[in-house]
Amino acid sequence: NAGVTQTPKFQVLKTGQSMTLQCAQDMNHNSMYWYRQDPGMGLRLIYYSASEGTTDKGEVPNGYNVSRLNKREFSLRLESAAPSQTSVYFCASSALAGGRVGTDTQYFGPGTRLTVL
Amino acid sequence: SQKIEQNSEALNIQEGKTATLTCNYTNYSPAYLQWYRQDPGRGPVFLLLIRENEKEKRKERLKVTFDTTLKQSLFHITASQPADSATYLCALRSYNAGNMLTFGGGTRLMVKP
Repeated sequence: NAGVTQTPKFQVLKTGQSMTLQCAQDMNHNSMYWYRQDPGMGLRLIYYSASEGTTDKGEVPNGYNVSRLNKREFSLRLESAAPSQTSVYFCASSALAGGRVGTDTQYFGPGTRLTVL
Repeated sequence: SQKIEQNSEALNIQEGKTATLTCNYTNYSPAYLQWYRQDPGRGPVFLLLIRENEKEKRKERLKVTFDTTLKQSLFHITASQPADSATYLCALRSYNAGNMLTFGGGTRLMVKP
């Protein structure tokens, strides 16, 4: 059981470049999440997917797009990277089924450190 | 506005003492609150969950309290060890904040031998 895996671990982009961050989980979880973590700001939710085929905006969705490719995989795309998107990005998953306020214990990946020059 | 606040200053304590970390919130109607541990360069790891109708939860050397009147959760580590050094995050699931878990900024704990 690998849990939640993310690729790449590190990435440097120039302003305006695009890239996709990949995330996969092997726990058969229903919900998946993308967060960014900045110093002093804590974890902020970018997008989440409560079930395969659905995605919803979180607190800071501007500049990002997501795809829930299947139950295992949830990708985050930056179409035109900006320096303000320099951050550490975490993917997470939970067993929580969509639309229910159950106990949402989240399992996190190791993170992707992204720098936009 | 809605806020979850943790002490941004590091907490330094001596090995063997009890560490107490605080999580305060405003303008949330909490369903439950969670605590996570995060080591440098790694993702957060779930530790404990406490529901709105629970006052206290324990797990080994960890204890969490939840006071919805004071709008505060306390996280205690008894008999602390240098291996407990990490950043601890609280996260709140609220009835009035959408389908999201909202995290505090975290408090760094340093346990000195």
